[in-house]
Amino acid sequence: GENVEQHPSTLSVQEGDSAVIKCTYSDSASNYFPWYKQELGKRPQLIIDIRSNVGEKKDQRIAVTLNKTAKHFSLHITETQPEDSAVYFCAARGRGTGGFKTIFGAGTRLFVKA
Amino acid sequence: NAGVTQTPKFRVLKTGQSMTLLCAQDMNHEYMYWYRQDPGMGLRLIHYSVGEGTTAKGEVPDGYNVSRLKKQNFLLGLESAAPSQTSVYFCASSYRGPAHSVFGSGTQLSVL
Repeated sequence: GENVEQHPSTLSVQEGDSAVIKCTYSDSASNYFPWYKQELGKRPQLIIDIRSNVGEKKDQRIAVTLNKTAKHFSLHITETQPEDSAVYFCAARGRGTGGFKTIFGAGTRLFVKA
Repeated sequence: NAGVTQTPKFRVLKTGQSMTLLCAQDMNHEYMYWYRQDPGMGLRLIHYSVGEGTTAKGEVPDGYNVSRLKKQNFLLGLESAAPSQTSVYFCASSYRGPAHSVFGSGTQLSVL
């Protein structure tokens, strides 16, 4: 079945450095790719998303890139801050025979050390 | 404007008991979703609804039922709880499609 693989599972960076999280998806029909940030004990919150007709999107210190040919997309956080510490989830949405599906990656725990 | 509200926040059940989780949204969203989140795994879609009176199965629907009798409410039922259903359950809603989904604060369910 369709799946989304996310790497790394844990990432530790120094404050001010960049962090990159990568996801690959299997369903070539996927057309929407959101990223969620989830702080400990809190709900997931959408931080950025990208559609399949766009290769890159930026929002301040956060950017997402999409390579449809290779079926992978990445989250880039620049100038990391301690408050960026959280679990980040990628997801891929596509429409299959059973209706649309959003498949989530397993998450990346990001630690930003002050 | 409360957004998405889930009740209860915590619940402990014994195997075989039943319960209903309530999700309410005040944003006039058409789409509503129930996810479960287990340690080391991402969110998995249980059931969803694309409008009042409609429901559809997600990735992991077995052991759950849902109802969307009113646009603002989406109920998740467990008829006979099993320990494998111990998880954190999140409800979400969106205007159309899962883009820009707004999540509730979650329900921690433990089945003993």
